[in-house]
Amino acid sequence: DAMVIQNPRYQVTQFGKPVTLSCSQTLNHNVMYWYQQKSSQAPKLLFHYYDKDFNNEADTPDNFQSRRPNTSFCFLDIRSPGLGDAAMYLCATKGSGTPSYNEQFFGPGTRLTVL
Amino acid sequence: GDSVTQMEGPVTLSEEAFLTINCTYTATGYPSLFWYVQYPGEGLQLLLKATKADDKGSNKGFEATYRKETTSFHLEKGSVQVSDSAVYFCALPRSGGYNKLIFGAGTRLAVHP
Repeated sequence: DAMVIQNPRYQVTQFGKPVTLSCSQTLNHNVMYWYQQKSSQAPKLLFHYYDKDFNNEADTPDNFQSRRPNTSFCFLDIRSPGLGDAAMYLCATKGSGTPSYNEQFFGPGTRLTVL
Repeated sequence: GDSVTQMEGPVTLSEEAFLTINCTYTATGYPSLFWYVQYPGEGLQLLLKATKADDKGSNKGFEATYRKETTSFHLEKGSVQVSDSAVYFCALPRSGGYNKLIFGAGTRLAVHP
């Protein structure tokens, strides 16, 4: 059963055209994360939520925004995608309770192409 | 600050060979340590973890032991399969809460029949 779901799996957008990536979770976890992963690199954390409390990483560009309307859903908005924003975007949640309290559960990712 | 250093890849092995992927870390205190695996085109999956010194995490034939003395968490498997071909990331939570992970650079493993 899918626990962290990302849609779409593949997204193509044009340079400068806003795009929204979606993430949903069936785990009822309080903490959600968005990562950017470029080819052959480790995931880079963009921001995270604790419930509705938004926490931006210091080096995340203003071009990246996020919304979390409820516990289950989280969105990544890229206001004006550039060629350098082409990447895999990963959503994750933080486990709760024993034994998974310090584990992260990842979705399958959305691969973004910018033309 | 906290950091993770992994051996560089790619690592290319024949099926049934022994695998070691080295991971060392720098951290304040004694954080939990993780290995995540990423199959082609997929997100990351937790492979195994260890929460305190001398703990051994194991899963799917993979093992890693939390070594405080050498600040290491090397990943091993006695006999790899073609299906183990993936990228492996060593990780630890950075200080500051919310379990924000610091990842190593990742090691790509290719197993040939």
